[in-house]
Amino acid sequence: DSGVTQTPKHLITATGQRVTLRCSPRSGDLSVYWYQQSLDQGLQFLIQYYNGEERAKGNILERFSAQQFPDLHSELNLSSLELGDSALYFCASSVAAAVQETQYFGPGTRLLVL
Amino acid sequence: ELKVEQNPLFLSMQEGKNYTIYCNYSTTSDRLYWYRQDPGKSLESLFVLLSNGAVKQEGRLMASLDTKARLSTLHITAAVHDLSATYFCAVDNTDKLIFGTGTRLQVFP
Repeated sequence: DSGVTQTPKHLITATGQRVTLRCSPRSGDLSVYWYQQSLDQGLQFLIQYYNGEERAKGNILERFSAQQFPDLHSELNLSSLELGDSALYFCASSVAAAVQETQYFGPGTRLLVL
Repeated sequence: ELKVEQNPLFLSMQEGKNYTIYCNYSTTSDRLYWYRQDPGKSLESLFVLLSNGAVKQEGRLMASLDTKARLSTLHITAAVHDLSATYFCAVDNTDKLIFGTGTRLQVFP
């Protein structure tokens, strides 16, 4: 158990809908990262927040957005969902902002868009 | 654009044998990470390699980094069934981790 929690574990929804994925980092960690894992794209970095501020951006679609709240939990919002958004979404956390810190991954949220 | 390639993509090996997984990347980076993922599970950090020539070992796994060759290796010694998993390398690219394709390892008796 990494200490990173994600809810929900599974999500099934329809195309065009909007969902919110939630992540609570390990106690004391200030950085939260979001990743998408799919069969065709592999594991891709989406976005990083550090202490409430966006710090780095990867291959995140404009339909997706994220934020980190004062209590350091983070939410990833996915809107206008398409079939291709079906994937496993991980969040990870680390103590500091720098990526060379070890990142601890949560159990993931499996999203299925029908 | 940084590309990270792993070789092989799939590896089936007998218990007790040795093998090496290779991770090549296309642009300069001094930092490389290895992760393990069990089927249906999350990623677990194995090694963090932060400089040229870095070598780290944990149990039957040993990772090394050659930044000049842009190559990292994950060596498996005397494989056991418990090592069956998918192994990913990831390279730091301006504060973003770029992951390789993964190597699925299956160890059989």
